[in-house]
Amino acid sequence: EVQLMESGGGLVQPGGSLRLSCAASGFTFNNFGMNWVRQAPGKGLEWVSYITESGTGIYYADSVKGRFSISRDNGKNSLYLQMNSLRAEDTAVYYCARDGAPGATTFDYWGQGTLVTVSS
Amino acid sequence: EMFMTQSPATLSASPGERATLSCRASQRISSKLAWFQQKPGQAPRLLIYGASTRATDVPARFSGSGSGTEFTLTISSLQSEDFAVYYCQHYNNWPLTFGGGTKVEIK
Repeated sequence: EVQLMESGGGLVQPGGSLRLSCAASGFTFNNFGMNWVRQAPGKGLEWVSYITESGTGIYYADSVKGRFSISRDNGKNSLYLQMNSLRAEDTAVYYCARDGAPGATTFDYWGQGTLVTVSS
Repeated sequence: EMFMTQSPATLSASPGERATLSCRASQRISSKLAWFQQKPGQAPRLLIYGASTRATDVPARFSGSGSGTEFTLTISSLQSEDFAVYYCQHYNNWPLTFGGGTKVEIK
């Protein structure tokens, strides 16, 4: 069974940093690209970042470019999101999601999410 | 950046009725479109990709159609578990973007 479990969320002050983790199990992690997607309270979905299977290809939404950094450790079956210079508008539930639908860059499995709150 | 526009924002329908949800892309995206269902307090669930291919274990009452800029998700006969928010998402280029969602509520 495919499982994705996020951790690392919490309350952080504006300008602060946080590192999210996503532990993957139930599939061959290094065969799949991975994503972070977020959802502000009561709002819609926003894609944040993507990393290829090997980690050599990376993309970001303009809203986080230069502040967030995605990475992965295939030996530990883990995905990460380093978030710096956090702003109030970064407050959201952050989901990790697998890019697994055949021939499509989309999200076939999701974790349950971790809440990040940016507030003083 | 590709903009995805969903309509209506809210659809009120009764169980057993047919529901038709629309998604429009600001540029042509071929068939590079996915649909998701999200229930309160849950992560989204992939329903459709490639505009019309159902994901694993998705019931046949869900169908997707369209290409280019106009897309439709149809639920042939609404079941109680189908009342939720639905999002479309393109994957034609970076950045990936979602529509604003359609809430399907019980009439």
